[in-house]
Amino acid sequence: NAGVMQNPRHLVRRRGQEARLRCSPMKGHSHVYWYRQLPEEGLKFMVYLQKENIIDESGMPKERFSAEFPKEGPSILRIQQVVRGDSAAYFCASSLPSGRQTGNTIYFGEGSWLTVV
Amino acid sequence: DQQVKQNSPSLSVQEGRISILNCDYTNSMFDYFLWYKKYPAEGPTFLISISSIKDKNEDGRFTVFLNKSAKHLSLHIVPSQPGDSAVYFCAASVASGTYKYIFGTGTRLKVLA
Repeated sequence: NAGVMQNPRHLVRRRGQEARLRCSPMKGHSHVYWYRQLPEEGLKFMVYLQKENIIDESGMPKERFSAEFPKEGPSILRIQQVVRGDSAAYFCASSLPSGRQTGNTIYFGEGSWLTVV
Repeated sequence: DQQVKQNSPSLSVQEGRISILNCDYTNSMFDYFLWYKKYPAEGPTFLISISSIKDKNEDGRFTVFLNKSAKHLSLHIVPSQPGDSAVYFCAASVASGTYKYIFGTGTRLKVLA
């Protein structure tokens, strides 16, 4: 499967615990995006990363949330001290490097559903 | 500030007829637009794109129209099929920028058999 891979698909955390969501981009893609979908809402941009570099984190909450995309391995979205309001679907997407002509399209993974109890 | 708006939260269409989903945007810098389809508990699936240098793009049953002066785009599905029942999102970005896509809130399409 050469698509965007996210895990875990479902994660349950108690309030105050940490949640880590992982994303492996499509083969050949070096750009990763994280989006969040709250119940009954649209997709909200969180952060855009390239390898070892955060390009745009304007959608990230100022506290408790962080993201990385290391040189090796998947991108990680980390939520510390989770609260009930963090319960949502978190979607990762990937794209080709900037400047390529083959479309400026981002492709999504299946999502990770976080439930905070 | 909602820069990309889908003002119809839901739409019902008879099988075989045309489905028209609308999307409006406010940022005149947007120059690349995408449509996605999303089923429950799945990730969004890319459908079709359009660049601001075009006013129409067609792929099979799906056609996207762009009216730059009105800051409006629409997705036409002809003929509609029951399997098209899903939530449809439009997204916009400044292609020469950071590729950050802003999504609309979605329109739930129901195709009636």
